[in-house]
Amino acid sequence: LAKTTQPISMDSYEGQEVNITCSHNNIATNDYITWYQQFPSQGPRFIIQGYKTKVTNEVASLFIPADRKSSTLSLPRVSLSDTAVYYCLVGDQGTGGFKTIFGAGTRLFVKA
Amino acid sequence: NAGVTQTPKFRILKIGQSMTLQCTQDMNHNYMYWYRQDPGMGLKLIYYSVGAGITDKGEVPNGYNVSRSTTEDFPLRLELAAPSQTSVYFCASTRGANTGELFFGEGSRLTVL
Repeated sequence: LAKTTQPISMDSYEGQEVNITCSHNNIATNDYITWYQQFPSQGPRFIIQGYKTKVTNEVASLFIPADRKSSTLSLPRVSLSDTAVYYCLVGDQGTGGFKTIFGAGTRLFVKA
Repeated sequence: NAGVTQTPKFRILKIGQSMTLQCTQDMNHNYMYWYRQDPGMGLKLIYYSVGAGITDKGEVPNGYNVSRSTTEDFPLRLELAAPSQTSVYFCASTRGANTGELFFGEGSRLTVL
């Protein structure tokens, strides 16, 4: 299993850029890196996914160095509504299937 | 488009009772998952399925059973409920391995007293 390690929590202020780094030293060649956002009492929601280099969409950017042993989720100009838990996932191709394991996540608290 | 639908949303069980949490998806996804989330904690994988007729254990399968007789449905069975199974249960599905996003249901909050 490709285990992930993230900071437990982070604080930020509205309008700032937030970078959350995830370590995944044992990432496998075929694994993709995926980030999810979870609000209280809701299921996680997909944010972004990448394999290497940089990926950008309308809500975030994902930076992955060449060795792929870590990744950084970048949230530009956060607002109060970005307060949530953010999970970094690395796909594990188990025998006959795909076992998706969530880590503890990073609690982001955005202040006014 | 309903996505992933879970029922019931809330349930209170007595110790020793059994129940089934239902999960249905209408996206024709092959991969389906059951997670539990205890208060303030991350999600733990209970069971997953890569297609009809195929299931496998996740991180915390003890006390649960699943079946996958159709592509759409992936029920989770709790036998002999215990207080330690008090949690929020999420069902999820995805199109394929490694790529593609997981789609989650709204969750089922279970309390065992």
